[in-house]
Amino acid sequence: QVHLVQSGAEVKKPGASVKVSCKTSGYTFTSHHIHWVRQAPGQGLEWVGIINPADRRPTYPQNLQGRVTITTDTSTSTVYMEMSSLRSEDTAVYYCVRDGGNWGDLDYWGQGTLVTVSS
Amino acid sequence: QSALTQPPSASGSPGQSVTISCTGTSSDVGGYNYVSWYQQQHPGKAPKLVIYDVSKRPSGVPDRFSGSKSGNTASLTVSGLQAEDEADYYCNSYAGNRNYVFGTGTKVTVL
Repeated sequence: QVHLVQSGAEVKKPGASVKVSCKTSGYTFTSHHIHWVRQAPGQGLEWVGIINPADRRPTYPQNLQGRVTITTDTSTSTVYMEMSSLRSEDTAVYYCVRDGGNWGDLDYWGQGTLVTVSS
Repeated sequence: QSALTQPPSASGSPGQSVTISCTGTSSDVGGYNYVSWYQQQHPGKAPKLVIYDVSKRPSGVPDRFSGSKSGNTASLTVSGLQAEDEADYYCNSYAGNRNYVFGTGTKVTVL
């Protein structure tokens, strides 16, 4: 079975950085893109970025360019999402999600990681 | 990239149908047949894929769920509403250059 298991909750101060991991299993790691999606408390879903593990090429939305970095470790089938210069508005549950291969069919989701930014 | 526009809420009685719209632009919804829909039954619980490629259903999703698109607007219809369909629903569209955008979300209530 396909599994995406994320690291635990984090509490950070404004201006700090956070790095969330997503360990995948149950499929060929380089055959599927991985997205990151976040959901602030009481709010909707927001797309945070995508990476192709085959060529390690990431793409980020314009509003997060320069603050988010997505990387992979093929040896452990793990994807990382790092966000810097954290603000209170970055408080959210962050999900890693597998793309099924049909351009945006997000078929398997991690359990989510709560990142809280508070002074 | 602006969020796709969805109505905040929709409702229907058991057995009825409800349709949710998702309006974007020619740069996203209107430009590609890569619209997907997600059901989130509880905040904090991971969403579930119910429709992809505008109108395709993943294995295990009931055929009560259907999708369509016309111009810059995609739609999700849930027929034969059941209590378990009460949830938040989000659309998502490919927006070119490996970018994606979600809709604002719609809360569906089964009366």
